[in-house]
Amino acid sequence: GAVVSQHPSRVICKSGTSVKIECRSLDFQATTMFWYRQFPKQSLMLMATSNEGSKATYEQGVEKDKFLINHASLTLSTLTVTSAHPEDSSFYICSAQMGGRKAFFGQGTRLTVV
Amino acid sequence: GIQVEQSPPDLILQEGANSTLRCNFSDSVNNLQWFHQNPWGQLINLFYIPSGTKQNGRLSATTVATERYSLLYISSSQTTDSGVYFCAVRDLNYGQNFVFGPGTRLSVLP
Repeated sequence: GAVVSQHPSRVICKSGTSVKIECRSLDFQATTMFWYRQFPKQSLMLMATSNEGSKATYEQGVEKDKFLINHASLTLSTLTVTSAHPEDSSFYICSAQMGGRKAFFGQGTRLTVV
Repeated sequence: GIQVEQSPPDLILQEGANSTLRCNFSDSVNNLQWFHQNPWGQLINLFYIPSGTKQNGRLSATTVATERYSLLYISSSQTTDSGVYFCAVRDLNYGQNFVFGPGTRLSVLP
């Protein structure tokens, strides 16, 4: 089946620093990828839709200047959490859809800001 | 947007028992998937089932699109079935992304 790889799986950073998370579709091209955020014992909430070659579309309430998304190729989207603060600590998951049907998810990135 | 509900929110089973998880959605959809999130956070595709019935081993799912619900059946549960089960739906009238339900947290005891 299709594989979406996300890296890193876990990161601890100091408050005020920036962290980049990569999401790759390994065996298919994804013109659109999605970034979700999941707080403990809660569901996944869409943060933004990443479109190859164009600007990302952010959901209401998500700061586009804090969560920078770049989708430079058909197989790679990156999420950069800028000037991270403890409240940004969460589980971030990317997703890509193959053929507009099934969605496949990366392994997730657990971000801890200290 | 589409609203997704799941029931029950929590479920505790003895190993070997059967269970039914339900997903209700507020509008017509053209895509529905069931996922299992393991303890490490990885989301595993279980079924792509916008309508009809599918079976895969001890798991099966049925979606009645006209009545806006889907059911996930787990038979002869095992401890490895523990985790959170999510139903996610999509309708292109609302966007390309999936909308997730709140999940059912399943614990299977030995």
